[in-house]
Amino acid sequence: DAEITQSPRHKITETGRQVTLACHQTWNHNNMFWYRQDLGHGLRLIHYSYGVHDTNKGEVSDGYSVSRSNTEDLPLTLESAASSQTSVYFCASSVSRSTEAFFGQGTRLTVV
Amino acid sequence: RKEVEQDPGPFNVPEGATVAFNCTYSNSASQSFFWYRQDCRKEPKLLMSVYSSGNEDGRFTAQLNRASQYISLLIRDSKLSDSATYLCVVFSGYSTLTFGKGTMLLVSP
Repeated sequence: DAEITQSPRHKITETGRQVTLACHQTWNHNNMFWYRQDLGHGLRLIHYSYGVHDTNKGEVSDGYSVSRSNTEDLPLTLESAASSQTSVYFCASSVSRSTEAFFGQGTRLTVV
Repeated sequence: RKEVEQDPGPFNVPEGATVAFNCTYSNSASQSFFWYRQDCRKEPKLLMSVYSSGNEDGRFTAQLNRASQYISLLIRDSKLSDSATYLCVVFSGYSTLTFGKGTMLLVSP
């Protein structure tokens, strides 16, 4: 079955380190998204991509970057991890902009 | 006004009760509407799409009211397993889906 997977599921890192969270989907969806979810804020969009080599900033993009070198993967990089980036990160994909998105199981990141 | 607004709850209901949530959206040109369910510390999962004519899936009924710019979700005969947070999602024609912060439902025995 087609799916979307994130790795790692849990990670603890130190302040200042570079961290990359992986997202891989096998639906051949053009659109991929990264969200973070914190108590009181709901899901907040970090970056998104409409296709290979396309990337766009979301509402909370500072300190994060993405690259899209193929259809299946959209890795999220924290350039220099900060304690404020401790959160649960969800990757999602969709067929088109207006259709439902399907989520990965999430990565729980703790920055100490 | 926020793009998508939901009452955060929690809605506390007994098993077997009927419960309804509303969600308002600000952009009258919004095109697509969805309800997602999110269990604690898990990923959001699509519950149902919301069509102009309304739609039903078992105990769940979704309605769209374009004139008043809200969508609703009705759950009949609530089960303990319905306890979750329900997210309202709207595509307004801009770039991406907009998620509400969610309404928490707690179903008790």
